[in-house]
This record gives sequence, structure tokens and C-alpha cells, in this order.
Amino acid sequence: NAGVTQTPKFRVLKTGQSMTLLCAQDMNHEYMYWYRQDPGMGLRLIHYSVGEGTTAKGEVPDGYNVSRLKKQNFLLGLESAAPSQTSVYFCASSYIKTASDGYTFGSGTRLTVV
Amino acid sequence: SQQGEEDPQALSIQEGENATMNCSYKTSINNLQWYRQNSGRGLVHLILIRSNEREKHSGRLRVTLDTSKKSSSLLITASRAADTASYFCATDGGGGADGLTFGKGTHLIIQP
Repeated sequence: NAGVTQTPKFRVLKTGQSMTLLCAQDMNHEYMYWYRQDPGMGLRLIHYSVGEGTTAKGEVPDGYNVSRLKKQNFLLGLESAAPSQTSVYFCASSYIKTASDGYTFGSGTRLTVV
Repeated sequence: SQQGEEDPQALSIQEGENATMNCSYKTSINNLQWYRQNSGRGLVHLILIRSNEREKHSGRLRVTLDTSKKSSSLLITASRAADTASYFCATDGGGGADGLTFGKGTHLIIQP
């Protein structure tokens, strides 16, 4: 089915380890986003991209890096994981910024940093 | 910081009843959107209402927007057990950054 695919779905990291979360969409969407969801906090924007080769910081970018080398992929990297980065991470995409069909979300990556 | 704030935080009703959730926001917006999240899943887009619209319908959903009060409401009529989920409002145009800004959500439980 067309949509947004996130890998991996679950991961446990030790403090200081690094990892990359992959987001892939097959809808030819220009915009892609990474959010984190914490209990009682709703979703907060980490980084976003408005097209291939572009990235920008969101509300909570510290400790994360992103890359968008191909239009369909948006990678989120943690260089040195910290327990505060334990969260559920969601990737989303949209055709244009104010598309009437909103964002399409992936099913999430549950990350635990111990 | 969160732009939208949903009210109530949790709501439990009987199947067949109507459910109303409210969202308040702080700054001017281009549009406001509502999303549903089932437990352990990603968010699903329900409906978008633009700043120049006052009401919008989609199936059993009715959304209103009052820009003078900076508030929106989502009404789900004739609720079903499958409507049990968390519902989030999201605003486009606030916060100074691109991307939608989400509230903390309303957890809706439909009792069979």
C-alpha cells in the first residue's frame, strides 16, 4: 500500500550509541517531517524538509541530524543517544504545505535509550 | 511550545452518543486540522478547515472554527466503538516554524 514506511519499528540503544531512523514515502510528496511524541506532550517537530536536498530545524532539533538526499527518503540520525531521547518518533509527508488531505504519517519507531 | 490545547483531556461516552472535543490556539492560523490516533499507531488525517471557513462536514464528523475566539470543535455523531482513539488538533501557520503544531490530544473512549 502507498504511504509512509518507517524502519525500524522498535529499537533499544545504550547511552552514547548512534543510530539512523529511515523514513520512505512513495507518494511523490515534497514535504517531509520528523516528530517525536512523548506522554502528555503531544507531537513536537524535530526537523523538516521542503524538498530534496533541503532540511530545516523544528521546535526540538538538538541532538538530532537529518538528511534528504533523495526525494522519497528522510533520515533522522542520533549521533550520541541520551535517555531524554526515549520517545516514539513519527515521520510524516505532505504534497504541499497546506494540502487539504493533510499529512500522511508512518506507524512510528519506538526508541528506548538506557 | 504547543499551539493547540484540546479539551477535555479524556472523554468517555456510551456508544451511539455524540462526542465533542474542543481545541484552543494562540496565534493566527492558515488552517486547522484534526487527526485521530489509535493506540500504538500513527496519526490519521480526518479533516482540514481553512481560516476563512466556519464549519465543515465529513461523514459523521463536523468541525467548526471561530477565529475570533481562536477555537475549534470536533463533533463525532452516533459514536461507535471503533471511534475509540486519541484526537489531536493541529494548526498551520503558528509557532514561527514550518510544519503543523499539535496539541496534546483528547483521549476518547466509547463504551459499548
